[in-house]
Amino acid sequence: RKEVEQDPGPFNVPEGATVAFNCTYSNSASQSFFWYRQDCRKEPKLLMSVYSSGNEDGRFTAQLNRASQYISLLIRDSKLSDSATYLCVVRSSIHQAGTALIFGKGTTLSVSS
Amino acid sequence: NAGVTQTPKFRILKIGQSMTLQCTQDMNHNYMYWYRQDPGMGLKLIYYSVGAGITDKGEVPNGYNVSRSTTEDFPLRLELAAPSQTSVYFCASISAGGGNQPQHFGDGTRLSIL
Repeated sequence: RKEVEQDPGPFNVPEGATVAFNCTYSNSASQSFFWYRQDCRKEPKLLMSVYSSGNEDGRFTAQLNRASQYISLLIRDSKLSDSATYLCVVRSSIHQAGTALIFGKGTTLSVSS
Repeated sequence: NAGVTQTPKFRILKIGQSMTLQCTQDMNHNYMYWYRQDPGMGLKLIYYSVGAGITDKGEVPNGYNVSRSTTEDFPLRLELAAPSQTSVYFCASISAGGGNQPQHFGDGTRLSIL
């Protein structure tokens, strides 16, 4: 089982639609959780951290269920500018002393007018 | 504030050539990372460093070497370039290893090996 798995996508939606991305992670000791956004041929950029209590940032809502090892991202009222690849990311301990971000493959969203 | 700077941005190598991808950060971060991203895939960790003089292997270290002689610099070396190393390489840094602090990424180096 891959450490971080996401919906395969792509998601093609019209402007104004609500779209949900799902993600599961295998390491129960994972410490922190994030959604990153990556535009074509660009570096990943942090969209939002994800907390067990759930958190919202404008049209974006993220949820974490530690018991199920499940993370979600909900985008409401989709805009053309939301078109990108969304990466589910967890911070896990690696080897002896470090932690690193472990990335899912990403789910591509295309919003059309 | 420059953040994480990677050079070069693009490079084409012949099979068997060697090169060093440079990464430097001006935020005094202890932790630095090298990732590679193949088309349609997520980022995979190559090597990481928790401080000057300390490095360790990530998920896909074969064919690469790193060094960390200073806090600022974390170069990645390819000794014998192979077509399988054609990828986009991202360097990242963070001040400490845990918590919800995001990693800061460089713009990436696009490497093609022919």
